[in-house]
Amino acid sequence: GQNIDQPTEMTATEGAIVQINCTYQTSGFNGLFWYQQHAGEAPTFLSYNVLDGLEEKGRFSSFLSRSKGYSYLLLKELQMKDSASYLCAVSYGQNFVFGPGTRLSVLP
Amino acid sequence: GAGVSQSPSNKVTEKGKDVELRCDPISGHTALYWYRQSLGQGLEFLIYFQGNSAPDKSGLPSDRFSAERTGGSVSTLTIQRTQQEDSAVYLCASSFYIPRGVYTDTQYFGPGTRLTVL
Repeated sequence: GQNIDQPTEMTATEGAIVQINCTYQTSGFNGLFWYQQHAGEAPTFLSYNVLDGLEEKGRFSSFLSRSKGYSYLLLKELQMKDSASYLCAVSYGQNFVFGPGTRLSVLP
Repeated sequence: GAGVSQSPSNKVTEKGKDVELRCDPISGHTALYWYRQSLGQGLEFLIYFQGNSAPDKSGLPSDRFSAERTGGSVSTLTIQRTQQEDSAVYLCASSFYIPRGVYTDTQYFGPGTRLTVL
């Protein structure tokens, strides 16, 4: 199967910047998604990268390097409500493979 | 517009009983996915439907699990002879389908069904 790796947990301070990394196998790669999931809720879409480079959406940005099988999600000006799990998901055709998720805790 | 809906939101059952979980995708979405998520774990792919094509069942953990999609819309996930290890949140997601190429549409998730097997 396809392995997707993310750090299990991260902690950051309110107002700071945090980068969550994701690595994946490149064979058959189609695109990469980031989702946010608050405890007890369903995942919600954050970003989608298919080409190399940085996609910026307000406080959130996502970067992709196809050749390196690497992506990161950058969260700026952290707020307490950003405490959640962040899921990296790779599409291989119409199949989606999710990483284990990174649990981010934002401290005051 | 209406999002993906799932029912029931919670289901408690006894070991050995059968359960049915329902998913109503977003209108017009031709692709439908089922996942399960155990407490504190990532999403585990179960099954994928696309239009009238044969479903991708490669993620189903055993032959106790089956799913149908009627009329290209509503889907039902059935678990027969439930076991305690089946306890999890079962998530359904739908998306538009774009023929294989550079772009893939994002998935929209339902709220999930929390299944507890006693």
